[in-house]
Amino acid sequence: KQEVTQIPAALSVPEGENLVLNCSFTDSAIYNLQWFRQDPGKGLTSLLLIQSSQREQTSGRLNASLDKSSGRSTLYIAASQPGDSATYLCAVAGGTSYGKLTFGQGTILTVHP
Amino acid sequence: NAGVTQTPKFQVLKTGQSMTLQCAQDMNHEYMSWYRQDPGMGLRLIHYSVGAGITDQGEVPNGYNVSRSTTEDFPLRLLSAAPSQTSVYFCASSYYPPRQGRDQPQHFGDGTRLSIL
Repeated sequence: KQEVTQIPAALSVPEGENLVLNCSFTDSAIYNLQWFRQDPGKGLTSLLLIQSSQREQTSGRLNASLDKSSGRSTLYIAASQPGDSATYLCAVAGGTSYGKLTFGQGTILTVHP
Repeated sequence: NAGVTQTPKFQVLKTGQSMTLQCAQDMNHEYMSWYRQDPGMGLRLIHYSVGAGITDQGEVPNGYNVSRSTTEDFPLRLLSAAPSQTSVYFCASSYYPPRQGRDQPQHFGDGTRLSIL
């Protein structure tokens, strides 16, 4: 059974810092990995999607890497801003013919001015 | 373009009552799914559909029913509500199933917060 773990569970940083969120998964037979952002009381917003054949994806100040063989992904946020405060979740697609999404429990990020 | 719309946003039920959580999308997405989000458990897949008339069970399907009569709508029915079903329910859609992520990520609704007394 696929298990996804995110470390740390919570992170508080001052504005302007570069930071790294970690995601690990137990079964390397995945189709792709997504990073999501969830604001309080809201649904999930997809940030980046990395196919299993890719090593990284970038969008603005966000960069996500994938090392499928070691079961790891990192989300790098450059020059953090208070507006980046949210819960960040990673999810891997695999396991069934259609690709079931398995989510980690998330990292709660607080960026203070 | 509304995206994924879930109704109601909040609901309180008594044990044993039944209700339907509505989910609609206007993006012509074939793949739709329902998740529940619980503290310490993350999001877990309840049911999913790969197109009109086709549904299948996810990780935690017991106590829930779904149907997909149109591409746009994917309602989730609680047959006889139990306190263990107190949760936040999210509906998601995408053009392709998660396996074929390509550049088509999952789109989520804002959720239905359900309390069962």
